[in-house]
Amino acid sequence: AQTVTQSQPEMSVQEAETVTLSCTYDTSESDYYLFWYKQPPSRQMILVIRQEAYKQQNATENRFSVNFQKAAKSFSLKISDSQLGDAAMYFCAYRSPYTQGGSEKLVFGKGTKLTVNP
Amino acid sequence: DGGITQSPKYLFRKEGQNVTLSCEQNLNHDAMYWYRQDPGQGLRLIYYSQIVNDFQKGDIAEGYSVSREKKESFPLTVTSAQKNPTAFYLCASSRGNYNSPLHFGNGTRLTVT
Repeated sequence: AQTVTQSQPEMSVQEAETVTLSCTYDTSESDYYLFWYKQPPSRQMILVIRQEAYKQQNATENRFSVNFQKAAKSFSLKISDSQLGDAAMYFCAYRSPYTQGGSEKLVFGKGTKLTVNP
Repeated sequence: DGGITQSPKYLFRKEGQNVTLSCEQNLNHDAMYWYRQDPGQGLRLIYYSQIVNDFQKGDIAEGYSVSREKKESFPLTVTSAQKNPTAFYLCASSRGNYNSPLHFGNGTRLTVT
């Protein structure tokens, strides 16, 4: 079974600075999707960015970008020009297209709590 | 605006009572999911449904039941058999393709005493 590991339970960053959140995963599959979700204090999960494994180019969404290292099974999230509104729990997630019954379950890491200091 | 509505936001029950959490979506999504979130545990899948009248157990289905009689609705019942029901419950939906992201509701905080 696939597993997702976020080794940093908590991180902090100064406003306007850059921070990188780590995520590693374990899989024997060659194609899959990776996601970063943000959960602010309101507790709604919001999609930040996604990456398909067969695409070598790292995904970017405005101030958010990923460093996808397929061989190392690493999928880190970089937040540039951090803002106070970026403070949240961040979850890394893995999705395989080959799960039982053809479903597409999402496997989540345990999350990293990001604090943004003014 | 399209979205997912979970109700209520907070729910309190006495031990031994069944309780049903509501989840409605107007995104016309085929697939719907229920996740449980505990502190330090991330999200764990309880049940999912890819089409109406069909659903599958997730990783922690014991003590829970679901139904999918309509495309828009996927209620979750927490039964008295669930040993530790107090948690935050998140409902989600997606188009059903593996490259489609999940859209989440705002969640329901269930407290059982």
